[in-house]
Amino acid sequence: KAGVTQTPRYLIKTRGQQVTLSCSPISGHRSVSWYQQTPGQGLQFLFEYFSETQRNKGNFPGRFSGRQFSNSRSEMNVSTLELGDSALYLCASSFGQLAGQETQYFGPGTRLLVL
Amino acid sequence: AQTVTQSQPEMSVQEAETVTLSCTYDTSENNYYLFWYKQPPSRQMILVIRQEAYKQQNATENRFSVNFQKAAKSFSLKISDSQLGDTAMYFCAFITYNNNDMRFGAGTRLTVKP
Repeated sequence: KAGVTQTPRYLIKTRGQQVTLSCSPISGHRSVSWYQQTPGQGLQFLFEYFSETQRNKGNFPGRFSGRQFSNSRSEMNVSTLELGDSALYLCASSFGQLAGQETQYFGPGTRLLVL
Repeated sequence: AQTVTQSQPEMSVQEAETVTLSCTYDTSENNYYLFWYKQPPSRQMILVIRQEAYKQQNATENRFSVNFQKAAKSFSLKISDSQLGDTAMYFCAFITYNNNDMRFGAGTRLTVKP
């Protein structure tokens, strides 16, 4: 089975721009969670989608948004980029039916650099 | 607040020896799962081991085992017969039922020396 894939792997943007990151979950998984990883704040939960609906949301500003498609692929969008948005963005997938009781499998991440 | 604390930012161990990574957590929930994830320098986060909080028996996966003390809210990872490929950042994490918001510790950077 193919693992979680994320595209692109690396991205450079300038302040004020917007960016869209993509995540394809493991086949059969319907839940996709997004995390931001920075040296200062560590790993922080952004949001989770299950069956095209946002089920959980972390403590991030509204500039961070996401969506999920009917094939369970998910995208996250960050608008009006700030320098502090530079991070590794990880997505993780799970079956999703039993939130909080399933292992999440992570993708390789998208490294975003904001200049 | 639900938090995870890893008090050892860095550790090192000689190849073939045993090392224990510490983790404590705080939650008022009774139903949750605990995980150790490994993130090698290539950045792919890999599940090492998981523990259901309702199970008293400590989980083991080959050379990896945990010491789960629910009352003390402690969840340490023991790596036996350390190998060079074990060099990585190790994250302790937990998740509560009905919520996919996984909480992570700050991580422990483990170096296995030849």
